Amino acid sequence: QKEVEQDPGPLSVPEGAIVSLNCTYSNSAFQYFMWYRQYSRKGPELLMYTYSSGNKEDGRFTAQVDKSSKYISLFIRDSQPSDSATYLCAIGVFGNEKLTFGTGTRLTIIP
Amino acid sequence: SAVISQKPSRDICQRGTSLTIQCQVDSQVTMMFWYRQQPGQSLTLIATANQGSEATYESGFVIDKFPISRPNLTFSTLTVSNMSPEDSSIYLCSVGGEGYTFGSGTRLTVV
Repeated sequence: QKEVEQDPGPLSVPEGAIVSLNCTYSNSAFQYFMWYRQYSRKGPELLMYTYSSGNKEDGRFTAQVDKSSKYISLFIRDSQPSDSATYLCAIGVFGNEKLTFGTGTRLTIIP
Repeated sequence: SAVISQKPSRDICQRGTSLTIQCQVDSQVTMMFWYRQQPGQSLTLIATANQGSEATYESGFVIDKFPISRPNLTFSTLTVSNMSPEDSSIYLCSVGGEGYTFGSGTRLTVV
């Protein structure tokens, strides 16, 4: 079993829709959670960073963590064509610099 | 967050040759990380580079193949040695903090 599972997609939604991106993880020792956006031919860009269960909101983006279910989500409201990218989840443990990444979900927002 | 300049952005190399990738950070950082991102796959950590000491390599990666230098707190290089087509990938450097920042990546094609 992989440490982090992420639906690779691809996922296509119309502009303005709410997007839900999800990852599950197997090890309850993981303590902090991140979401990255990666445009084609670019490095990953940090979108959200959180370490507690519950929701964290930043503009149109909401990161949700459920540690009891080992499930993390990223919601994008009012999706825009500029949100078209690959989204990667990443998780880690405090004191250990090594991150574990999901495989990424390719998202396309259709105008 | 830190800003990382990574170069080259892309290269096409002949098998058997070597390529050195450079990363420059706009602030002093203790650790720098080197990742590989193969097509359709998640990011895989190659090694962690501390200034003044030898890099720590992950399982499956060896110093002879991926020598790393870390001459100061703002700069690191990764060399991909004796390249084969299987080394074709995107190589990324990263630094920690609250969330990890990535360079823009080096897209390497070995022919």
